[in-house]
Amino acid sequence: GAVVSQHPSRVICKSGTSVKIECRSLDFQATTMFWYRQFPKKSLMLMATSNEGSKATYEQGVEKDKFLINHASLTLSTLTVTSAHPEDSSFYICSARAGGSSNQPQHFGDGTRLSIL
Amino acid sequence: GEDVEQSLFLSVREGDSSVINCTYTDSSSTYLYWYKQEPGAGLQLLTYIFSNMDMKQDQRLTVLLNKKDKHLSLRIADTQTGDSAIYFCAESGNSGNTPLVFGKGTRLSVIA
Repeated sequence: GAVVSQHPSRVICKSGTSVKIECRSLDFQATTMFWYRQFPKKSLMLMATSNEGSKATYEQGVEKDKFLINHASLTLSTLTVTSAHPEDSSFYICSARAGGSSNQPQHFGDGTRLSIL
Repeated sequence: GEDVEQSLFLSVREGDSSVINCTYTDSSSTYLYWYKQEPGAGLQLLTYIFSNMDMKQDQRLTVLLNKKDKHLSLRIADTQTGDSAIYFCAESGNSGNTPLVFGKGTRLSVIA
């Protein structure tokens, strides 16, 4: 079945550090990838929609310069949290959808737990 | 905008059936999904149903869709302790770029 690999699974770093999270579709090509943020005991909050070869579409309230998204190939999207601060600590999850139609389900990575000290 | 509602908690005894309910508002949804999230993990796709179907069964899982009432349910037969997790209902739009709209998740607790 479709597998999405997310790396790293856990990051602990100092305030001011930039952190890059990778999301890879291992056995399918993903024209669209999504980045979510999940707070403890809460549902997923969509941050942005990433389309291969074009700029990401950010949800209202998500800072583009803070959360840089790059989707340079059909199997890789990256999220960089720039100059991270403690309030950026969260669980970040990516998902990927094959093809370009909604009849393909989204498959999720295992998430990255980011802790900023 | 689109909205997905589901109850927050469900507690069942091991061996019983669990039924998790979900309502949604977008009548143009093409697919409806159930995802499972275990502690500290990402979301695992359990099953999904096309909007022109009424029922889908996959081993212990049965999905029922009432499109008229915009009601979706997930039944887990013979619930096991390993089924304890958060279950998210989600709907898709009719475009490939449309993100899923998730409910807040139902926390299923299975009592041995």
